[in-house]
Amino acid sequence: QVQLVESGGGVVQPERSLRLSCAASRFTFSTYAMHWVRQAPGKGLEWVAVISSDGDNKYYADSVKGRFTISRDNSKNMLSLQMNSLRAEDTAVYYCAKDHSSGWPTYYGMDVWGQGTTVTVSS
Amino acid sequence: QTVVTQEPSFSVSPGGTVTLTCGLTSGSVSTRYYPSWYQQTPGQAPRTLIYSTNTRSSGVPDRFSGSILGNKAALTITGAQADDECDYYCVLYMGSGVSVFGGGTKLTVL
Repeated sequence: QVQLVESGGGVVQPERSLRLSCAASRFTFSTYAMHWVRQAPGKGLEWVAVISSDGDNKYYADSVKGRFTISRDNSKNMLSLQMNSLRAEDTAVYYCAKDHSSGWPTYYGMDVWGQGTTVTVSS
Repeated sequence: QTVVTQEPSFSVSPGGTVTLTCGLTSGSVSTRYYPSWYQQTPGQAPRTLIYSTNTRSSGVPDRFSGSILGNKAALTITGAQADDECDYYCVLYMGSGVSVFGGGTKLTVL
């Protein structure tokens, strides 16, 4: 069964950086696009970013563009999210999710989800 | 900026049928937006129900179905059960790699 395990969350001060990781297992990681989705406390889900299977294509929500960078290491089955210039409104649970499709561009959205890691931005 | 809209809340009787919708503040939803639907119980990770308008994700019972109704995407739940009471989100593919969630619908089964 597909497994996604996020890590790297914590409490960080505004304007500082944090790097999230997502360890993937039990599927051919290098074949699928991957997403990051977040959920602020008491709020709905927000799509954050997507990366193609080969890492060559990356797209971001306007709210994080220029501050966050999605990346992957297919040799290690690892997805990452580098978050810079963090703001209070970035406080959320961050989920990584596998895409349905092994193709690109990907239209089909998220398939399997991790359990999430919590990021709190506070002074 | 176009926003993805969902009913904030909805209620259904046990055993009943409910249709949740997903629209746009500007324009109509069609299959080219590849609507998908997700279920989330508070404190838990989301679960994928439907993708590409009407394809059920693995393990999802056929009580859940997706469609386009008029100018919106729709999620229909038939034979509602108590554990269907949770939040439901739609996602639309907006092009250029970008996806957008709706605000979610809180479904009550009573």
